[in-house]
Amino acid sequence: DQQVKQNSPSLSVQEGRISILNCDYTNSMFDYFLWYKKYPAEGPTFLISISSIKDKNEDGRFTVFLNKSAKHLSLHIVPSQPGDSAVYFCAASGGSGGGADGLTFGKGTHLIIQP
Amino acid sequence: NAGVMQNPRHLVRRRGQEARLRCSPMKGHSHVYWYRQLPEEGLKFMVYLQKENIIDESGMPKERFSAEFPKEGPSILRIQQVVRGDSAAYFCASSSTGVYGYTFGSGTRLTVV
Repeated sequence: DQQVKQNSPSLSVQEGRISILNCDYTNSMFDYFLWYKKYPAEGPTFLISISSIKDKNEDGRFTVFLNKSAKHLSLHIVPSQPGDSAVYFCAASGGSGGGADGLTFGKGTHLIIQP
Repeated sequence: NAGVMQNPRHLVRRRGQEARLRCSPMKGHSHVYWYRQLPEEGLKFMVYLQKENIIDESGMPKERFSAEFPKEGPSILRIQQVVRGDSAAYFCASSSTGVYGYTFGSGTRLTVV
């Protein structure tokens, strides 16, 4: 039962353009959402988060949008840079499957920034 | 201020052996979480510990797996009688505030042969 879904295993974007990574969730109890970035052989690194009481949060080149009615969130990266090439995980907290204070992760989207 | 330290980085075990994975949280962090990532999958929550206490182990397999976070020393994830299906990357995260301030370690890649 996949409660957090990232339906695109990979995404290729040209350098300088906008990257949009999508995430859907099924559990309406989730109240906090996070995006992590992961390079090979390293642990995930926190990028940006959003509370369910907001619909947008921005931090530099990264913006996360939350549509609660559609149970959908997206991460926008603009402009995309070569160093953004990594696997991006969407995660949520507040529902089951992640423990009392754990996170429920999606399977990730591999973002490839092309020169 | 060192980050979350996990060792070993790579661990190879034969079927039936025991695997011990260690995690030293960041200084000042009293919350430790273990996650497992199977190939082509996302991270799956296993257990949440505070010093000397298991807070939530709802993600731990019922048999062969155990975790501890003693008063002194690192947190340990122990897998007894390993099987091939235990091959995965195991990540530890620590926090001072719970889920909103995770820092992950680089992981231990367990291979069972």
